[in-house]
Amino acid sequence: QVQLVQSGPEVKKPGASVKVSCKASGYTFTSYGISWVRQAPGQGLEWMGWISAYNGNTNYVQKLQGRVTMTTDTSTSTAYMELRSLRSDDTAVYYCVRDARAVAGTFFDYWGQGTLVTVSS
Amino acid sequence: DIQMTQSPSSLSASVGDRVTITCQASQDISNYLTWYQQKPGKAPKLLIYDASNLETGVPSRFSGSGSGTDFTFTISSLQPEDIATYYCQQYDNLPPTFGQGTRLEIK
Repeated sequence: QVQLVQSGPEVKKPGASVKVSCKASGYTFTSYGISWVRQAPGQGLEWMGWISAYNGNTNYVQKLQGRVTMTTDTSTSTAYMELRSLRSDDTAVYYCVRDARAVAGTFFDYWGQGTLVTVSS
Repeated sequence: DIQMTQSPSSLSASVGDRVTITCQASQDISNYLTWYQQKPGKAPKLLIYDASNLETGVPSRFSGSGSGTDFTFTISSLQPEDIATYYCQQYDNLPPTFGQGTRLEIK
């Protein structure tokens, strides 16, 4: 069965960086893209960007351009999301999700369990 | 970015009731719309894609309809396990965007 297993919770100070991992199993990793979606406490869902696990192409939401980097390691079927220059409003649960179709940012048929990133001084 | 407006923002209904949630897009998105269910403390779950296609394994009491800018999500007979927040999401244009959510409670 398809599973996306994410790394554990993180607490960071403002200005620091965080890198969240997402290990995929149960399907051919390079056949699908991975998006990252975040959810601030008590708030809605926000798409952050997408990476093709086939060729590493990326597409980031404009507001995070320059602060976010998404990568994959096909040898371990793992996706990574790094967010730099953290601010308090980056406090959120971060989800890795599998894109159901072969292009960037479609809809998401499998979700990781989420990783809480807390930014606090 | 395409704005997605859900209504109502919260809803209270009784077990067995028919429940309807609407989602309006700020521009034509054809049928590129999904619905997710999120239970407290859990990740969202895909219920419906392409506006009206039921994801495998999802109970048939859930359905979706619509195209263009106006969409509807229906639970034909509300069950206690349906208590959750429901989100619509468009994927016609990047970035994909979500509605603000509808919190569903049991009366």
